Amino acid sequence: NAGVTQTPKFRILKIGQSMTLQCTQDMNHNYMYWYRQDPGMGLKLIYYSVGAGITDKGEVPNGYNVSRSTTEDFPLRLELAAPSQTSVYFCASSYEGAGDNEQFFGPGTRLTVL
Amino acid sequence: AQSVTQPDIHITVSEGASLELRCNYSYGATPYLFWYVQSPGQGLQLLLKYFSGDTLVQGIKGFEAEFKRSQSSFNLRKPSVHWSDAAEYFCAVGARGGATNKLIFGTGTLLAVQP
Repeated sequence: NAGVTQTPKFRILKIGQSMTLQCTQDMNHNYMYWYRQDPGMGLKLIYYSVGAGITDKGEVPNGYNVSRSTTEDFPLRLELAAPSQTSVYFCASSYEGAGDNEQFFGPGTRLTVL
Repeated sequence: AQSVTQPDIHITVSEGASLELRCNYSYGATPYLFWYVQSPGQGLQLLLKYFSGDTLVQGIKGFEAEFKRSQSSFNLRKPSVHWSDAAEYFCAVGARGGATNKLIFGTGTLLAVQP
């Protein structure tokens, strides 16, 4: 099993550009999550999904969109990139909710918006 | 409100010394508590978790944590630190109930290990 994979590993965007961060898991997990990590701030939840076709906002959803058309994939879309979106983005999954189950994390995508 | 506090942003210990990383939580019900570790350039990995029962829980890599309800704490310990333990450590509480089932993370403690 590859676990949780994320692409790309690094990306530089110009202000106003758009991009999609890809996330795939091969563990047949129902729940998937997107976090952003900023220095000294821990991880903040952007969006999550409890199954294919179902998504919901986390703490910091503004400027992002998600979709979950399959169990395996949970892409994160950035529209009109802003410098405030410079961060490291982590995708994670768990079989059931992360509140009482182990989450498995991808290696992260480091995004810089200039 | 549910929250997790890790009061130490950065800790340096000598290799072979003991380690304690502090974590305090605020949660209205019985908490589910986790410690995750993030090695440089990597995603997070679960070290250990507490749901119920014995308040001293053992994890991977020789780590343990003790749940103290009276102090709202879940401190992480290791008797003898190895250089490979240098990483960032995150405490988290599981927020459960209704449509919500997710983790609330602390801000992390960065551990440096001196030779």
